[in-house]
Amino acid sequence: GESVGLHLPTLSVQEGDNSIINCAYSNSASDYFIWYKQESGKGPQFIIDIRSNMDKRQGQRVTVLLNKTVKHLSLQIAATQPGDSAVYFCAENGRGGADGLTFGKGTHLIIQP
Amino acid sequence: GAGVSQTPSNKVTEKGKYVELRCDPISGHTALYWYRQSLGQGPEFLIYFQGTGAADDSGLPNDRFFAVRPEGSVSTLKIQRTERGDSAVYLCASSLGLAGNSPLHFGNGTRLTVT
Repeated sequence: GESVGLHLPTLSVQEGDNSIINCAYSNSASDYFIWYKQESGKGPQFIIDIRSNMDKRQGQRVTVLLNKTVKHLSLQIAATQPGDSAVYFCAENGRGGADGLTFGKGTHLIIQP
Repeated sequence: GAGVSQTPSNKVTEKGKYVELRCDPISGHTALYWYRQSLGQGPEFLIYFQGTGAADDSGLPNDRFFAVRPEGSVSTLKIQRTERGDSAVYLCASSLGLAGNSPLHFGNGTRLTVT
């Protein structure tokens, strides 16, 4: 099976609300995690990353939380805007020691007006 | 500065034909990656280069797929005897360091359709 996965394929939130996108990973050797945003017809765009020596990292309107005990990663987006509508992927560097990232299937975030 | 550039953006080819997909990484990025993304899925690793050499090609699905990066900058992904199952978006990414330590920066991909 996949080493990185997401709990919900689609998440719908009201504009202005906060959203939380979750991700579970299974490779305990992974020590670097990234969230990407992908809009239709475009490549994945880097949002935020976190290393395993941290449990929280904040950016502009986004926060990533890492729980290594249960191998769980989440992305929180504050005050969602229409431009936040996209598919969000978590990725980890646990390719059995090889380089490159392993991606989950993605969560489609829909912002309702 | 310019991001990762991929050409063509769309490619339609007939089953059995040969195709080449090109990637121009961000200037100065030594690591270059090819991924394949099917509809509704996350990107899947194909191959990565560190400089001119393919450091890991374990993701290439079979020997019809080959990639080169002769001068350590531009890379070409080559697919021989294309099959309908090869239809997907082929993404290229580059990074300043290894993916284990720095994020990958992706291009917008080449959408390959094999008819």
